[in-house]
Order: sequence, then C-alpha cells, then structure tokens
Amino acid sequence: DTGVSQDPRHKITKRGQNVTFRCDPISEHNRLYWYRQTLGQGPEFLTYFQNEAQLEKSRLLSDRFSAERPKGSFSTLEIQRTEQGDSAMYLCASSLRRAVDTEAFFGQGTRLTVV
Amino acid sequence: GNSVTQMEGPVTLSEEAFLTINCTYTATGYPSLFWYVQYPGEGLQLLLKATKADDKGSNKGFEATYRKETTSFHLEKGSVQVSDSAVYFCALSGDNAGGTSYGKLTFGQGTILTVHP
Repeated sequence: DTGVSQDPRHKITKRGQNVTFRCDPISEHNRLYWYRQTLGQGPEFLTYFQNEAQLEKSRLLSDRFSAERPKGSFSTLEIQRTEQGDSAMYLCASSLRRAVDTEAFFGQGTRLTVV
Repeated sequence: GNSVTQMEGPVTLSEEAFLTINCTYTATGYPSLFWYVQYPGEGLQLLLKATKADDKGSNKGFEATYRKETTSFHLEKGSVQVSDSAVYFCALSGDNAGGTSYGKLTFGQGTILTVHP
C-alpha cells in the first residue's frame, strides 16, 4: 500500500470557478478526514466520514463546500464559486476504526491557488 | 472548544543541542495528545502520542509527557540532528459524535525547527 494519495497535487483556478479534489485512503481504512491548512497555521478540521456516512462537519465548511464518499472508499471535496480566501492546502487523512482508532495517516495534500 | 497553543518559532539550533518545544492545550474531558512532524516536501507523520495523564510518548529520540495538571505536552529531544529539521505540530483529539477519533484533531500552529551542522 502506498499510503493516502491526493489528486491533483496543485491546482490553480480563477475566482468563481468550481474545483474538485480527490482522496484515496489506505485501502482498509474506514475513516476519512479532510483538513484545510493555510500558510503558517496548523491544519483545521473540515469533515470526516466513517465508510460512506459523513459523521461531522465543521462550521468552516461553508455551503460552497461539499464532500462525498459514495462507496466508502475514495472521497471528493468540491468547492463551488471559489474565492481567494479558499487558497490553502487541502489535506486528507484516513484511519481504521474498530474498537478503538488507529492513528491518522495523512496524504501530501492538494495546494489550491485562487487567482 | 478545544485549542492547542505551541511556542512560537522558528527555532534554530546547532547539531547535538537540546530541544524543547512547548505545547499547552485546552479541552473538555480527557483528550489524547499527539506530536506530528512535517518534513520538507512530505505529508504529516505521527511522531508520538499519549492517551492518558502521565503517559510518556516516545519515538526517534523524541519524548513528550502528558501533564494534566499543567495541561501541557512539551516535546523534547536530548541531541538534535540536521535531519530533524522540519515543522512540528502539537495536536489533540477528543470525544465526538462518532466516539473518540484519533483522526479528528485540533492542531497548534506549528513550530519550524532548523538544525545547523
């Protein structure tokens, strides 16, 4: 297994356009998380899934943001009508939840620049 | 809500120097505490963790002790190497809707460590 992979690694878009990012977690992991990290700050939690169910969403996740994990495997994060303030690194992580959690493994992230 | 405060950086040390990066937290209940490290060009990696008071997490010569009385989880290493140059993040996880999740984390702002030969 090659770990958590994210695609694309970099995305430049014009303000007002929609963008979609993909995350492929470690294959047996049933939990998947999305974070946003701006320059000089730590990652901020956005949302997470257990299998295909979205269990929690942060208040940071405005109506323009939507995340899905349709078959409990890969996940997508879509941002509609992008704004310059959306420029950030978007991180995905996964973990295995049984009786207790394993540690979260992070991908390398997708860097979004809105111009 | 939960929060994590790390000492401000950047921190610059010579090889073999002693390292301390301070971390304090605010949380309800009994959170688990973590240090993550991000090497240049790589993703976040778990360095060590502690899940209850007085636990000591350790890995690669780094240590941190969960101090509930001072709400702290300071990272230490006795002798740093150039290869330790990275960004270090303190984080916590607490109870949430799906039960305690080590993946739903509150991070500090990160501390940049640079070690010179």
